[in-house]
Amino acid sequence: SQKIEQNSEALNIQEGKTATLTCNYTNYSPAYLQWYRQDPGRGPVFLLLIRENEKEKRKERLKVTFDTTLKQSLFHITASQPADSATYLCALDSSGGGADGLTFGKGTHLIIQP
Amino acid sequence: NAGVMQNPRHLVRRRGQEARLRCSPVKGHSHVYWYRQLPEEGLKFMVYLQKENIIDESGMPKERFSAEFPKEGPSILRIQQVVRGDSAAYFCASSQDNSPLHFGNGTRLTVT
Repeated sequence: SQKIEQNSEALNIQEGKTATLTCNYTNYSPAYLQWYRQDPGRGPVFLLLIRENEKEKRKERLKVTFDTTLKQSLFHITASQPADSATYLCALDSSGGGADGLTFGKGTHLIIQP
Repeated sequence: NAGVMQNPRHLVRRRGQEARLRCSPVKGHSHVYWYRQLPEEGLKFMVYLQKENIIDESGMPKERFSAEFPKEGPSILRIQQVVRGDSAAYFCASSQDNSPLHFGNGTRLTVT
């Protein structure tokens, strides 16, 4: 069956360091992968989308890689700040394209310590 | 531009009552999705609608749950005869074409 795995344990990073979060998937051939941020009591907020033919995508302090051979995406936050503390979700399209049927991982809770 | 608006933010229902959750998508968005989230669990897809049509309801229980997105007005997720296991956060999201999802801040349903 299709499965998305993210680190279930909280990730503690010191302020100023780079935080790296992992998203592994099995039994998928997604056309694209998305990363969202979710704060307590709020809905997820879209951060980045990377397509299967892209190896890397950047936006300000954020960088996402997508390795379709390893079936893995890495999400990096450089020069991390306490305000980056949140839960980060990866999501794959399960329909081969389009926004319908996005499947989410359980998320990784990131804590940036001052 | 207003984002996705969900109401109520919190809803308490006794077992056996009906729960109605409302979602107004981003203006101009014609795709609406409903997700359910339990503590320590991921977002679980329930249903995908376009105006007046249900496109995919594969994640929604066959009984007691229904969803609509009328031509005018918000999308409604309706849960009849609620049970304690229905307690969760329900998130609505909208999009236009293949754009990423815009989420509301959810409705937290508590069944007592």
